[in-house]
Amino acid sequence: GNSVTQMEGPVTLSEEAFLTINCTYTATGYPSLFWYVQYPGEGLQLLLKATKADDKGSNKGFEATYRKETTSFHLEKGSVQVSDSAVYFCALISSGNTGKLIFGQGTTLQVKP
Amino acid sequence: DSGVTQTPKHLITATGQRVTLRCSPRSGDLSVYWYQQSLDQGLQFLIQYYNGEERAKGNILERFSAQQFPDLHSELNLSSLELGDSALYFCASSVDEGKRNTIYFGEGSWLTVV
Repeated sequence: GNSVTQMEGPVTLSEEAFLTINCTYTATGYPSLFWYVQYPGEGLQLLLKATKADDKGSNKGFEATYRKETTSFHLEKGSVQVSDSAVYFCALISSGNTGKLIFGQGTTLQVKP
Repeated sequence: DSGVTQTPKHLITATGQRVTLRCSPRSGDLSVYWYQQSLDQGLQFLIQYYNGEERAKGNILERFSAQQFPDLHSELNLSSLELGDSALYFCASSVDEGKRNTIYFGEGSWLTVV
């Protein structure tokens, strides 16, 4: 079946450090890929998405590239801020005609000043 | 603010009881989704409705049921509650059936079963 695997957290970084959160997936067909972020006490917010191979999603300085050959969608940011501290979820929607999101287990990011 | 409204925000109830969680989707959105977030299971898709009809079903227990009403709001009914049902329940919505357009999440309803 379809699944998403994320790197284990928590990830602790100093402000202005480079961030990578790894995400790999297993899916049939051509899924759409997403990163969602959950700030403390809040709901999930879409951070970025990519709908086909080699697409790059970007938002708020975060980027992720849809790599079909390695079935990966790693999240990167060049310089993190304390305000980026949150839980990040990688997710996919399979190529079927529904909006069923399949999430990874989430990675907690802590950024220290 | 995503525009998806969930009530109640917090709920404490006893085992064996029944509760109803309510969701109002974003204006114009036809799809409503329910997800459960728990420490051991992570984020799990429960069910999707599109314009009043069930579209997709996930790991939803038989004790749980949902519906989407003509005004497009949705309710998730949880019955014969067990301690393990304690979780954060998210509602989400999208304009279409979900593949193409953004899915927006509400802030969730915290359910504690004691």
